[in-house]
This record gives sequence, structure tokens and C-alpha cells, in this order.
Amino acid sequence: ETGVTQSPTHLIKTRGQQVTLRCSSQSGHNTVSWYQQALGQGPQFIFQYYREEENGRGNFPPRFSGLQFPNYSSELNVNALELDDSALYLCASRPPGTGSSGANVLTFGAGSRLTVL
Amino acid sequence: AQKITQTQPGMFVQEKEAVTLDCTYDTSDPSYGLFWYKQPSSGEMIFLIYQGSYDQQNATEGRYSLNFQKARKSANLVISASQLGDSAMYFCAMREKSLGGANNLFFGTGTRLTVIP
Repeated sequence: ETGVTQSPTHLIKTRGQQVTLRCSSQSGHNTVSWYQQALGQGPQFIFQYYREEENGRGNFPPRFSGLQFPNYSSELNVNALELDDSALYLCASRPPGTGSSGANVLTFGAGSRLTVL
Repeated sequence: AQKITQTQPGMFVQEKEAVTLDCTYDTSDPSYGLFWYKQPSSGEMIFLIYQGSYDQQNATEGRYSLNFQKARKSANLVISASQLGDSAMYFCAMREKSLGGANNLFFGTGTRLTVIP
């Protein structure tokens, strides 16, 4: 059973709207990452938070933003939704001390599937 | 340039047989890590195996082994004694540095494995 839970599992929005996706990481996992997986593609890195601050970002515009809270939960916010934002959004976390080298194994949630009409 | 290449969109294997899923990578960093993840239809990414660039031996985890050929920049996944539950998408990924310095995973496009009874 995965230690990372995401909500909602599915949602539908229209162009121009805003969406908030939520993630609850495993206890003690102080690093959380978000990935976007378009249909038929591999996941793409959006950003990472460590101790409530963004410390890494992929090639995504500023309308993708996030928050991390002290209780190991986090949010992904997307403003001004576009059709191409339709994807599975995956949250992943890992425990402290595993970031810079070695296996750096991420634990993923099952994702939130966003459809933009 | 694409960093991870998975050339097999789909593969079929008979139950109890072995199968090899191909992955080639490109990086100029002498220190890197390679991962394989499994994604069943439920959506979550499940970590299978890790190979560090300085590891002397090929990684093994139960029925999974990684055929690491550094000079050829390939990291193929071998699944022995295939089971029906192995049917899923399989992604090869490489650890890379993002803007901000945090490590993240760069995924290939995946291979869909179907195990035939």
C-alpha cells in the first residue's frame, strides 16, 4: 500500500480556470516532488519542495506553483488552465538524507487525472 | 538531445519466460543514477531497481536485474520468470540536476509489457 495519497483522483476543468491538487506524503518525508504525465508519455518533473521551500524546478511556466506544509502535505496549483495541461499529475516523496546521491528512491502516489475542456 | 531512449513501445512475453526491456541514455556527467519504475493501470509508479554509474556489479532485485553496459550507455531491464501481474508500463529514468540544484528524475517514454498466459 502506497504511503503517498493524492486527491482528487479525477477532475474536469475548463480552459482559464484554476486547479489545486493535494498530496499527503509519508510521515518523515520532508522532500516532495510533482510530475506531469501526459497521455502516452513518461512523467516530467515540475518542481520539488524541501522544508517548505522550492529547491528545484523543471521547464514549466510560473502559472504552475506549489506549497508544502509542515505536516508533510503539499499542493500543486495551476492557474489559467490550458488544454495541454490535461494529464496525470503525480506526487512523490522521499525521506531525509537520500537526495544528493545513491538510490534517491521516490515513493509515488497514484496521481490526480486532470482533464481540461 | 533526448536523455533516455526506450525504443520498444510494446512487448509481449509468455508467462514464465524472461524478457528484456531496452533503455539507452545520454549524459556527460560521470556520476549518475539509473532507475526502472513500473506503472500499473492504477497509476502509481513503483520502484523496481537502481544502478549507480560507479557500481561495479549489475544490480539485481529478486526477479529483476539490470544489464548495465556503461560503454554502450545502455541499462536494460531483465525480468525473469514473467508473471501475469508483470503486465504494466515500464519506465527507465535517470537522475539529473534541476534548476535550483535539486535532483530529479528524467523519464523515458516507456514500454508497455503484456504477459500472455
